[in-house]
Amino acid sequence: AQSVSQHNHHVILSEAASLELGCNYSYGGTVNLFWYVQYPGQHLQLLLKYFSGDPLVKGIKGFEAEFIKSKFSFNLRKPSVQWSDTAEYFCAVSRSSGNTPLVFGKGTRLSVIA
Amino acid sequence: NAGVTQTPKFQVLKTGQSMTLQCAQDMNHNSMYWYRQDPGMGLRLIYYSASEGTTDKGEVPNGYNVSRLNKREFSLRLESAAPSQTSVYFCASSDGYTDTQYFGPGTRLTVL
Repeated sequence: AQSVSQHNHHVILSEAASLELGCNYSYGGTVNLFWYVQYPGQHLQLLLKYFSGDPLVKGIKGFEAEFIKSKFSFNLRKPSVQWSDTAEYFCAVSRSSGNTPLVFGKGTRLSVIA
Repeated sequence: NAGVTQTPKFQVLKTGQSMTLQCAQDMNHNSMYWYRQDPGMGLRLIYYSASEGTTDKGEVPNGYNVSRLNKREFSLRLESAAPSQTSVYFCASSDGYTDTQYFGPGTRLTVL
């Protein structure tokens, strides 16, 4: 069965610090990869996704992620975080045969302090 | 477009009571999903429906039933609620081709 590991449970950063959240998955075939964000009290929103092509994917709000196939990783990055980035971040993966459910990691809570 | 809508937003039940959570999407998506979200556990798939007329179990189906009423609507039923079902429930839909899921606002359920 597929699984997704997010290494950090809670990350605390100061504003303007750089962010990298780790995500590894355990499926040997071709995959689709996603990062979702959940702001306090809200539902999940798509940040970015990778299906194929350039392994460096840019998303909304200045986030990007890099797919490294050899490491089964899809880490999320942002060069300079803002207080408004305080949220929970979820990595997810699906087998790229289409019409398959996503498997989510347990999430990383990001707290950005002034 | 409203996207994915869920009702109710909040619900408190007593152990043994039943209820149905409603979900509807207006994006003409083929696939719909029900997840539960618990602290430190991420999102866990309860049931999904790849297309109208089909449903499949996910990771944590016990204690739940679902109905794909039509292409738009996918309901989740708790026949006899238990405190372990206290959670936030999210419905999602996708077009079935790209697996990108769009989520509803959630239902916060407390079972006493």
